[in-house]
Amino acid sequence: EIVLTQSPATLSLSPGERATLSCRASQSISTYLAWYQQKPGQAPRLLIYDASNRAAGIPARFSGSGSGTDFTLTISSLESEDCAVYYCQHRSSWPQTFGQGTKVEIK
Amino acid sequence: EVQLVESGGGLVQPGRSLRLSCTTSGFTFGDYAISWFRQAPGKGLEWVGFIRSKVFGGTTEDAASVKGRFTISRDDSKSIAYLQMNSLKTDDTGVYYCTRGALVPFEYWGQGALVSVSS
Repeated sequence: EIVLTQSPATLSLSPGERATLSCRASQSISTYLAWYQQKPGQAPRLLIYDASNRAAGIPARFSGSGSGTDFTLTISSLESEDCAVYYCQHRSSWPQTFGQGTKVEIK
Repeated sequence: EVQLVESGGGLVQPGRSLRLSCTTSGFTFGDYAISWFRQAPGKGLEWVGFIRSKVFGGTTEDAASVKGRFTISRDDSKSIAYLQMNSLKTDDTGVYYCTRGALVPFEYWGQGALVSVSS
């Protein structure tokens, strides 16, 4: 089973600041990585797929990068609506595991 | 518009059974695999399993944590997928989601069904 480790656990930033979230895989997953945003009481929302492709309707302030074992989700300029938990997930093989999540708080 | 709606959740005692349904619309159900995920209260997301489309044999893959207890099935005539959960444990408590596809980016999710296993 591939383990995804996300850091930091919590990120507290002010509106307009840049957020950088990390996801590290226990073995190479090429670019088979997605990022999801989840707000309380809601289902996950796909943000980025295959490491760097924005899903339909996702604002340009969200971007992804990386390959192999190290991946990054960047929110270029935080908005209040970005307050959520962000998960990475691989689709390299099953089980399709998730990271434990990074909570983004807005100061 | 692609839609997935889970139903059948509720409160159940340990050791009992429950069946969740994933009712879909807006796409050709028979062309797609359906995956199930769950989320324990305050915890992260966990893959439960998926069922392939009939074209790929309609077979299933399950997480080790539910193998032998949970069964995924599908009724292509009704565009519904099912998650039959037997021998439920308190650790199975959480929100269960169905999604379209398997080993793909998951763009479409249901709203989730809450399952509470408690005596």
